Amino acid sequence: DAKTTQPPSMDCAEGRAANLPCNHSTISGNEYVYWYRQIHSQGPQYIIHGLKNNETNEMASLIITEDRKSSTLILPHATLRDTAVYYCTARTDSWGKLQFGAGTQVVVTP
Amino acid sequence: NAGVMQNPRHLVRRRGQEARLRCSPMKGHSHVYWYRQLPEEGLKFMVYLQKENIIDESGMPKERFSAEFPKEGPSILRIQQVVRGDSAAYFCASSNSTDTQYFGPGTRLTVL
Repeated sequence: DAKTTQPPSMDCAEGRAANLPCNHSTISGNEYVYWYRQIHSQGPQYIIHGLKNNETNEMASLIITEDRKSSTLILPHATLRDTAVYYCTARTDSWGKLQFGAGTQVVVTP
Repeated sequence: NAGVMQNPRHLVRRRGQEARLRCSPMKGHSHVYWYRQLPEEGLKFMVYLQKENIIDESGMPKERFSAEFPKEGPSILRIQQVVRGDSAAYFCASSNSTDTQYFGPGTRLTVL
């Protein structure tokens, strides 16, 4: 599975968009990019995933570069409840395990 | 549709005792994964099971740890003769086939 790298932390103002980058330069063609977040010490929450096309759901948008070496998770209107550690991970769809790095600690401020 | 359930949510054991952690997957899910999160660290994969089979246990310590997912009932992660270093949050995730994994709330194990 590809190794992912993320900035350790970032701040975001409430109501503004939060853009979270992730590098996955060693990603292979059949690996999906998955995003999860962990609020305080709760169980990780699935956000979104994609292979090569951009994806959007009710929580966020995922923008994957054409070469697939990086991606950006966009929270369009951050709220205080979006404060969490955000994890980017890559895995093949034929095998289960997720490998989590240190993630990005996002703090949304009023 | 109930999510992934784990119990107990908190478990306290003395050194040398056994810990049993249970995970009930989401309805219709037959794949279960266990992850461990040590204090101030990220999540680490431990084991991947399907009904009655261990598919990948590459992240599980060779000694004292075992996991099962019987045909009926929850998946069990069992830690024998616990030590202080086993204190951690243990998360279970489930999926339908190799699709998206959904996590439970975790069991926080404290070893005294």
